[in-house]
Amino acid sequence: QKEVEQNSGPLSVPEGAIASLNCTYSDRGSQSFFWYRQYSGKSPELIMFIYSNGDKEDGRFTAQLNKASQYVSLLIRDSQPSDSATYLCAVRDGNNRLAFGKGNQVVVIP
Amino acid sequence: NAGVTQTPKFRILKIGQSMTLQCTQDMNHNYMYWYRQDPGMGLKLIYYSVGAGITDKGEVPNGYNVSRSTTEDFPLRLELAAPSQTSVYFCASRDPKGDEQYFGPGTRLTVT
Repeated sequence: QKEVEQNSGPLSVPEGAIASLNCTYSDRGSQSFFWYRQYSGKSPELIMFIYSNGDKEDGRFTAQLNKASQYVSLLIRDSQPSDSATYLCAVRDGNNRLAFGKGNQVVVIP
Repeated sequence: NAGVTQTPKFRILKIGQSMTLQCTQDMNHNYMYWYRQDPGMGLKLIYYSVGAGITDKGEVPNGYNVSRSTTEDFPLRLELAAPSQTSVYFCASRDPKGDEQYFGPGTRLTVT
């Protein structure tokens, strides 16, 4: 069973601070990694994907991938109240299926 | 484009009843997926399809069936509903050449 682990509890950050989320995965052959944002009562929406080791930046979001250590992280800079949501890490396997972590809730305090 | 649509939005079933959750996409995506999300948890894959006439089991297929007769539609059938099937069900689709899975708004199902 391929596993995606997000073990941190709810994360509270002051407005303007950096929120840091981590995710580890068990399938060493995984090639594609995704971060989804899910507001309460809504469906997930893609915010970042990354394939290669290193960093990928998109606006206030940065995804970091380390395949040797099998972790992927998400940084949210200059956090805004609208960033308050649950962030789901997902890993795609060779059969085009996504395995999701259970998510991390982020609360941005004004 | 409406994207991915799901009906119904909410449903309450009694134990042992059956129902079909409908999912339709208008983006001509070959790949379609059904997930369930229990409270405080991530999404678990129930079934998926890579094209019309082709379906395969995901992580948690027991108690469910699917069919894919057209590119647009991917209905999920629950037979003999059980309380353990109380969950939010999301349908998604993806273009094989793209990265993003587009999710429908979800169906909240309660089995009592």
